[in-house]
Amino acid sequence: QVQLQQWGAGLLKTSETLSLTCAVYGGSLSYDYWNWIRQPPGKGLEWIGDINHSGNTNYNSSLKSRVTISVDTSKNQISLKLKSVTAADTAVYYCARGMAALAARPLDYWGRGTLVTVSS
Amino acid sequence: EFVLTQSPGTLSLSPGERATLSCRASQSVSSDYLAWYQQKPGQAPRLLMYGASSRATGIPDRFSGSGSGTDFTLTISRLEPEDFAVYYCHQYGSSGYTFGQGTKLEIK
Repeated sequence: QVQLQQWGAGLLKTSETLSLTCAVYGGSLSYDYWNWIRQPPGKGLEWIGDINHSGNTNYNSSLKSRVTISVDTSKNQISLKLKSVTAADTAVYYCARGMAALAARPLDYWGRGTLVTVSS
Repeated sequence: EFVLTQSPGTLSLSPGERATLSCRASQSVSSDYLAWYQQKPGQAPRLLMYGASSRATGIPDRFSGSGSGTDFTLTISRLEPEDFAVYYCHQYGSSGYTFGQGTKLEIK
């Protein structure tokens, strides 16, 4: 059973860099794609980007200039950095696995989410 | 820009009734690239369907999906109390993942 455990700072000030890590247990990063998704309070889901074990990334074009997703295969972890945050980046951030074997890359395992609040 | 529009925004039904949720794409997509999720308050989304009509592991058969082209549907044949939640569709394409805005299924 794959489990995703995520952590990171929950309170940031405007212009700081958001940094989150997601550890994968019970599975390997060697397959599939590993995603970050966020959800502002009371709103819908927004895909941030993904990465595979080789470090190949894809980003949401609206966030691309501020986002970096990286992988550490030795620790079975992925990380998210989002720079120059504003209040609009306040959200619950999730890591999730996208199944590479299926065209829809459905997100079948999710972390519990980390609420990140940006204040001035 | 590719957009998924879900309707209705809120659906009020009673346990035992049938629920029909719609997801419309701004341009034609292959059903292979369409999935559905359920999200309850304070929880991460849960995968329900992929490839438009294939149930994910552990999903009861009262959930079914259909559709093609630009119009996709999630049907819950007989609502159970635990089915009241928010439902999202998603499409995976060349620009990554696009989510619909969600349909809230509430108890009438």
